[in-house]
Amino acid sequence: NAGVTQTPKFRVLKTGQSMTLLCAQDMNHEYMYWYRQDPGMGLRLIHYSVGEGTTAKGEVPDGYNVSRLKKQNFLLGLESAAPSQTSVYFCASSYGAGGLRGYTFGSGTRLTVV
Amino acid sequence: GQQLNQSPQSMFIQEGEDVSMNCTSSSIFNTWLWYKQEPGEGPVLLIALYKAGELTSNGRLTAQFGITRKDSFLNISASIPSDVGIYFCAGLNYGGSQGNLIFGKGTKLSVKP
Repeated sequence: NAGVTQTPKFRVLKTGQSMTLLCAQDMNHEYMYWYRQDPGMGLRLIHYSVGEGTTAKGEVPDGYNVSRLKKQNFLLGLESAAPSQTSVYFCASSYGAGGLRGYTFGSGTRLTVV
Repeated sequence: GQQLNQSPQSMFIQEGEDVSMNCTSSSIFNTWLWYKQEPGEGPVLLIALYKAGELTSNGRLTAQFGITRKDSFLNISASIPSDVGIYFCAGLNYGGSQGNLIFGKGTKLSVKP
């Protein structure tokens, strides 16, 4: 029972490089989310998706793009990484509208941009 | 936007002590959730509250949905070392922002054996 799987777990990028973070869930959840977590800032929503083929901006979307081509996958892209994007990134998914039964989180991707 | 004020930011306690933390908001929420995050892991749901005044327990954890619907409380009784982690509250207002959860900034709990 995998739940939400994030790859990679760790990554170091140089400023200006691009990368894609992959999130996969096997719970048939409609809703998926990308958060970033920074010390003292809690969890901030980057982008989210309410179903296959749909995406929407969250609280801090600048510098990121997302795609939800398949229901089980939600990709987070950084086109030109900046040191300010050094963070721990969490993907989450939920069953009902707005996560009424709570979100299931992945174990995170720790990204460092140098 | 909506914000949750979670306090305290951090706690250092002795094993066996009870712990209390809370979350307040200027907005009304329809659902309150409490999560725990252990080092190197993602948050895990502990307790979900759906009605004002509701009191729900999960083992040594007890959470309450405030009567005003603007606050929630989490208590941990007889703390043990494995309680260490960051505890997040989260609120949901069905009418706002596609129903996304709003998270507090967390309470970091340290337990001294």
